[in-house]
Order: sequence, then structure tokens, then C-alpha cells
Amino acid sequence: DGGITQSPKYLFRKEGQNVTLSCEQNLNHDAMYWYRQDPGQGLRLIYYSQIVNDFQKGDIAEGYSVSREKKESFPLTVTSAQKNPTAFYLCASTSWASGTGYNEQFFGPGTRLTVL
Amino acid sequence: SQQGEEDPQALSIQEGENATMNCSYKTSINNLQWYRQNSGRGLVHLILIRSNEREKHSGRLRVTLDTSKKSSSLLITASRAADTASYFCATDAGYSTLTFGKGTMLLVSP
Repeated sequence: DGGITQSPKYLFRKEGQNVTLSCEQNLNHDAMYWYRQDPGQGLRLIYYSQIVNDFQKGDIAEGYSVSREKKESFPLTVTSAQKNPTAFYLCASTSWASGTGYNEQFFGPGTRLTVL
Repeated sequence: SQQGEEDPQALSIQEGENATMNCSYKTSINNLQWYRQNSGRGLVHLILIRSNEREKHSGRLRVTLDTSKKSSSLLITASRAADTASYFCATDAGYSTLTFGKGTMLLVSP
């Protein structure tokens, strides 16, 4: 099956701990994205990567870190510096088409992080 | 910053009725996309309309785009209970990222 997977589905963390959320895709997409969604809200961009070994901050990058060592993988670390990390985290990927730019984004099922 | 703003925030209709959702945005765009999200799930892409297009159809979905008014609408015809979900518009301004609105929550009652 082609697609984008996220793990775990639910994650509980104690205050002061770092935690890493996994995102893997086998769609051969160059670009990958991390979003945060709070109840009743839209998606806010945390980080994105257009190519391996390169990534850019989104609108709410503070308290988060990412890496892009492989094309298929874009893990997100929620650090203890993130003041309000309880949220639903979504990963997405997309491909580039010459002449028309980026195509639609494909989303994973999400990880719900709760800080206890 | 959120560029797309959907209207209404919530919509409740009966099966068989049509549902219309609107999206307004602020800056020039390359394309506008509509996504659907079932509760607690990831988003699913519905339709993409480019800035040089005015209308697009996909099954029971019809999307219009008015770049002069910086607005778009999503029409779902003959709605079904399974259409119950949140619907988001997202704008592509050419910076390789999308900007999402807060969404419209649609409830279709049998």
C-alpha cells in the first residue's frame, strides 16, 4: 500500500520530557510537512522540508525540532521547551510537478499527544 | 498566519439537501484546495482549483473561485450522512506551503 504513516496514534508524556513523533511515506514525495491542530481549529505549520537534509521553520516552530536524513522519513521532536504541547499532530507530503508547482498534500492519520 | 477563512463555522442540514461552504482569503494565490477531515482523522484532499480556473466539478462536489473577490465556494449536492465532517480550504501562494482556514463543521442528519 502506498501512503503516509504516523506512529504512535496516541502518546502520553510527562512534563519536561522530549518526545519524538514518527512520519514515514512511500509515495516518493520530496516535500514533507508537520502541522499542529488544536480543538476546533485549523492546521498550523510547524516545520517543512522540500529536500533531504534541508528544512524550514513554519509559523509555530518554537519548542519543536525536525530532521530529514532520508527522503521517506521526517520525524518531529516535541521538546520540553514547547509550553503547550497537548494537540493533534499531522504529517503530510506532496510532490512537485514542473509547470504547475506543488500538488495536493497527502496526510497521515495523525498522532494525538497528551502531556500529563 | 491563517489566510483562508471558512464560512459558516458550522452547518446542519438534512440528507438530500445541498451544502454550501465559503472561503475567503487575503493575498494572491496559485491555487486553492479543499480538504475534508473526519473526526480524529487526517485530512483528505477533495479538489484543487487553479487561479486561472473559475469552476471545477468532481462527482457531487462543485468548487468555484473568484480571484477578484478572493473567495471560493464548495457545494456538496444531494448530501449524505457520510458527508458529515469538517471541511477546510487551503491556499497555495507559491511559497511551497499551504495556509489553512479554521474549517466548516458539516452535520448531515438522516
